Amino acid sequence: QQPVQSPQAVILREGEDAVINCSSSKALYSVHWYRQKHGEAPVFLMILLKGGEQKGHEKISASFNEKKQQSSLYLTASQLSYSGTYFCGTENSGAGSYQLTFGKGTKLSVIP
Amino acid sequence: DTEVTQTPKHLVMGMTNKKSLKCEQHMGHRAMYWYKQKAKKPPELMFVYSYEKLSINESVPSRFSPECPNSSLLNLHLHALQPEDSALYLCASSPDPDGGYGYTFGSGTRLTVV
Repeated sequence: QQPVQSPQAVILREGEDAVINCSSSKALYSVHWYRQKHGEAPVFLMILLKGGEQKGHEKISASFNEKKQQSSLYLTASQLSYSGTYFCGTENSGAGSYQLTFGKGTKLSVIP
Repeated sequence: DTEVTQTPKHLVMGMTNKKSLKCEQHMGHRAMYWYKQKAKKPPELMFVYSYEKLSINESVPSRFSPECPNSSLLNLHLHALQPEDSALYLCASSPDPDGGYGYTFGSGTRLTVV
């Protein structure tokens, strides 16, 4: 089942902060976050396993609320290089192995 | 080596052609995946290989035929495709089919069916 992401798009000025949300109606094993720039492959940012942990990667961090089946990605002091489409992916057990299903994505544009 | 390598980068094929996409990784990852991505859409899972065996087929039409000859290599054989199959085909790998690890994606093959 596809997770729901919000917002669909956001425009930031350099130095501003943003939050991207991801929710699922299904119990999750983990939540992944990826960034994809135009014409390129998705790049793994971080993974959060169930347990309500929070992780950080430079100025990008994320949280996972297992009870609510929600995750949020926090981008602080945004840089031009943060522009791209952010996908959350939820990992569930499929037939014989786990599978990753992506949300529709959030297009982030950082302008000078 | 921390990459997933996909070839070719671009492919144009007719509806009666047979072609293959290739994906290679040397990270010792035991799970490999094929995803299809249309413009402005998220990647959609097609196939999952776990320890070189096909474990998930997301109801993909038989004109797409995956193959995993060894633990480092994944192929996608294409035959009698339709124009609507034009898309970016992404290969990915992860260390463990039981989840809990990030995926490494290749740069993709941009396929155009004419």
